[in-house]
Amino acid sequence: NAGVMQNPRHLVRRRGQEARLRCSPMKGHSHVYWYRQLPEEGLKFMVYLQKENIIDESGMPKERFSAEFPKEGPSILRIQQVVRGDSAAYFCASSPLATEANYGYTFGSGTRLTVV
Amino acid sequence: DAKTTQPPSMDCAEGRAANLPCNHSTISGNEYVYWYRQIHSQGPQYIIHGLKNNETNEMASLIITEDRKSSTLILPHATLRDTAVYYCIVKRSGGFKTIFGAGTRLFVKA
Repeated sequence: NAGVMQNPRHLVRRRGQEARLRCSPMKGHSHVYWYRQLPEEGLKFMVYLQKENIIDESGMPKERFSAEFPKEGPSILRIQQVVRGDSAAYFCASSPLATEANYGYTFGSGTRLTVV
Repeated sequence: DAKTTQPPSMDCAEGRAANLPCNHSTISGNEYVYWYRQIHSQGPQYIIHGLKNNETNEMASLIITEDRKSSTLILPHATLRDTAVYYCIVKRSGGFKTIFGAGTRLFVKA
């Protein structure tokens, strides 16, 4: 029973390139959440998605960042034209149906993005 | 969602119980108390959650006061591997985002 799978674990991009981070939720989980953690800082909520829908993107920067969770395949967090300030750990979490009794999130191991 | 207040850091001797407090005086009736932890550079880990009653699982116990304005996470026999940042979060039921605060940095010392 695999947990939340994130890949790649480490990603190095040059300034101006695109970064694509992937997240496969736990089996049976239909909700995905993305968080960013800058070095020595706390976890910041970015976006909450269900299959084919963005539910809450209040934490997403207005430019360059986008997220999707297609009907088939993993959730993707995409960062266009990366800058050094995008260097951070990006964590994905998943949970079961929202209408069920409360569950904690299951987090992946994260993707460490380094922009050089 | 209600805000929480936690001490920034705590120490605990290995083998002793670690008691991590959390204040959530503005909690409302449909909000749960969740605890997570993050061991250095790893993804956060769910520990336990509760509404009114005290809860216990293989990792920890959660004690919620009768007025629900505060709670305590108890690690009964702390080990060095329990050194981590512990987050207390109050959240409504259903599919709402979880907001993490600064948490408590627990140092377990030999």
